[in-house]
Amino acid sequence: GEDVEQSLFLSVREGDSSVINCTYTDSSSTYLYWYKQEPGAGLQLLTYIFSNMDMKQDQRLTVLLNKKDKHLSLRIADTQTGDSAIYFCAGVNQGGKLIFGQGTELSVKP
Amino acid sequence: DTEVTQTPKHLVMGMTNKKSLKCEQHMGHRAMYWYKQKAKKPPELMFVYSYEKLSINESVPSRFSPECPNSSLLNLHLHALQPEDSALYLCASSQRSKEQRETQYFGPGTRLLVL
Repeated sequence: GEDVEQSLFLSVREGDSSVINCTYTDSSSTYLYWYKQEPGAGLQLLTYIFSNMDMKQDQRLTVLLNKKDKHLSLRIADTQTGDSAIYFCAGVNQGGKLIFGQGTELSVKP
Repeated sequence: DTEVTQTPKHLVMGMTNKKSLKCEQHMGHRAMYWYKQKAKKPPELMFVYSYEKLSINESVPSRFSPECPNSSLLNLHLHALQPEDSALYLCASSQRSKEQRETQYFGPGTRLLVL
């Protein structure tokens, strides 16, 4: 079945770039997602990438997909304190079930 | 509009109480989901409704009882819960279920505390 892995913590200084990495096992997922969860809140769909794309850019966010290595990354440019949150990457298995990574807690220091 | 709403925001209940969580979406989505999330962990799928019929029950204890009165509403009825059921309960919706290209949109959640 699908397995998704992420590193648990990342700490950056305000204004730096953040890169959150994710690896997955099932290459059949049509879309790969990044969700953001701020403390005490629900999951916010941040961005997603179609599996036949290598890169997607949306303002400060850049998603890179390396299908050969089954590696997904989310880059946040000019990271702000408001970007402090847990970031989950997720794929979809063949049964349509959303499979989450463990989440990366991003801490942004002023 | 990609909004899923949930009520209440917070709920405290005793182990003998009966309460309900409510979820609503007006995006015309035909699949709705309940997830349970413990602190700093990923959400765990509990139930999936597709076209108002229960399609997936992830072996959830019977003290949780889902209901889908219509295509816009999803309820979760709670009875005789245990303290370990304290968690954030998230509702989500998508156009359809069991499709790999269906994006799920989440509500803000109900934070449940069982005493």
